[in-house]
Amino acid sequence: GQQLNQSPQSMFIQEGEDVSMNCTSSSIFNTWLWYKQDPGEGPVLLIALYKAGELTSNGRLTAQFGITRKDSFLNISASIPSDVGIYFCAGRSSNTGKLIFGQGTTLQVKP
Amino acid sequence: NAGVTQTPKFRILKIGQSMTLQCAQDMNHNYMYWYRQDPGMGLKLIYYSVGAGITDKGEVPNGYNVSRSTTEDFPLRLELAAPSQTSVYFCASSYSPGQGKETQYFGPGTRLLVL
Repeated sequence: GQQLNQSPQSMFIQEGEDVSMNCTSSSIFNTWLWYKQDPGEGPVLLIALYKAGELTSNGRLTAQFGITRKDSFLNISASIPSDVGIYFCAGRSSNTGKLIFGQGTTLQVKP
Repeated sequence: NAGVTQTPKFRILKIGQSMTLQCAQDMNHNYMYWYRQDPGMGLKLIYYSVGAGITDKGEVPNGYNVSRSTTEDFPLRLELAAPSQTSVYFCASSYSPGQGKETQYFGPGTRLLVL
């Protein structure tokens, strides 16, 4: 079936550093979503993208819908300890209409 | 709004036992979903529903059943629990895809251990 490749799998960074993660697909998507999951909780939506090239910010978070419609990235600027968690991308396939989740990027921030 | 609620939060089952995981949403979403999340993995879709009375299989439906008698509720049933069903189960809901409001909202999860 269709898959999303999310990278990196994990990151361990110093507080104050910027973070970048991305998702790629072999097929075209018409929606990209970025979620954060805190330990023991369900995923919470951070940013939703609906158009190719769209660049959207939510506080220190910025995400972009790739021009090719096959990728998306999420940047976190000036990381803080509460950024710790698992970040998931999700894309809705133009072919099947189904939402597919990436494997997640585990972020750890050292104070 | 309470959003998406799930019960129980945690459950231990013996092999062969059955149970129902409850999910409810008060956002009048017509789409509802059940996912499982295994350690270190992403979310796998078990079943979904596009409205009351309509359900369909997702990526990993074997060993599960669902029903959707109302817009608000979407229970997930395990008939014969197996160790492979040890996982964290998330329910989610959304508006219809394609309307620009299709983002999925998740419940807090049910942690299931089958021994």
